Amino acid sequence: GENVEQHPSTLSVQEGDSAVIKCTYSDSASNYFPWYKQELGKRPQLIIDIRSNVGEKKDQRIAVTLNKTAKHFSLHITETQPEDSAVYFCAVSEGYSTLTFGKGTMLLVSP
Amino acid sequence: DVKVTQSSRYLVKRTGEKVFLECVQDMDHENMFWYRQDPGLGLRLIYFSYDVKMKEKGDIPEGYSVSREKKERFSLILESASTNQTSMYLCASSLSRTVEQFFGPGTRLTVL
Repeated sequence: GENVEQHPSTLSVQEGDSAVIKCTYSDSASNYFPWYKQELGKRPQLIIDIRSNVGEKKDQRIAVTLNKTAKHFSLHITETQPEDSAVYFCAVSEGYSTLTFGKGTMLLVSP
Repeated sequence: DVKVTQSSRYLVKRTGEKVFLECVQDMDHENMFWYRQDPGLGLRLIYFSYDVKMKEKGDIPEGYSVSREKKERFSLILESASTNQTSMYLCASSLSRTVEQFFGPGTRLTVL
C-alpha cells in the first residue's frame, strides 16, 4: 500500500517567518494530495489540495508544490501568524483509493 | 454547510464492554470513514463505506466492525473493548473518495 512520510514532526517559527512542511510518497500512481489543518481540540479541516496535473497551487498565504518525479509535495506558509499554530497533515490518494495520511507536523508560531 | 456529528465527545468504558460510536452527516455524501488518531501516528483508517450496507476494511480493522443501514449514519462497533483501543475516533464523510473529507468533532474513548 501507499507509504507517506511527513517531515518535520515539529516546527517552531517566529511570527512573520515562512514555514515549509514536506511529504514524500511511494506510489507513483498517486494523483490527489490534500493538506489538512487541525487546531488544538478541533476537527481536521482541508486547507488546500493539489492534483497531479498541476505543479503548484496558491491560496493567499499558503501554497502547495508537487514534484511528481521525486514523489514529494510541500506545504508553504508565508508571513506566519500565531493562528497558524496547529497540527498539519498531508495525505495522498490514487484513483479510487482512500486517503493515506502522514503522521502530522506540529507548527508553533511564536509572537 | 456540511455537518458531521458524532454521538459523544467523551466516553469511558470498561474492558470487555461492547461499544457503539455513531456518526451522522447531513450532506447526502456517499462515502463515510472511521479513523483513529493517536499522537505521533496521524490518522489511520479503520473502515469505510461507499454506499448503504457496503463496507470495506481500512488499514487497522482488527477489533472493530461497522454498520451502515442508512446513508447518513455510519456506526463503529468495538465488540469487546480493550485498553489498547483507548484513542480519539474521528468520523468523516465525502462526496467521492478523492475530494474533501469533512470530519466530525471526534470521540475520545477511554477503556479502563
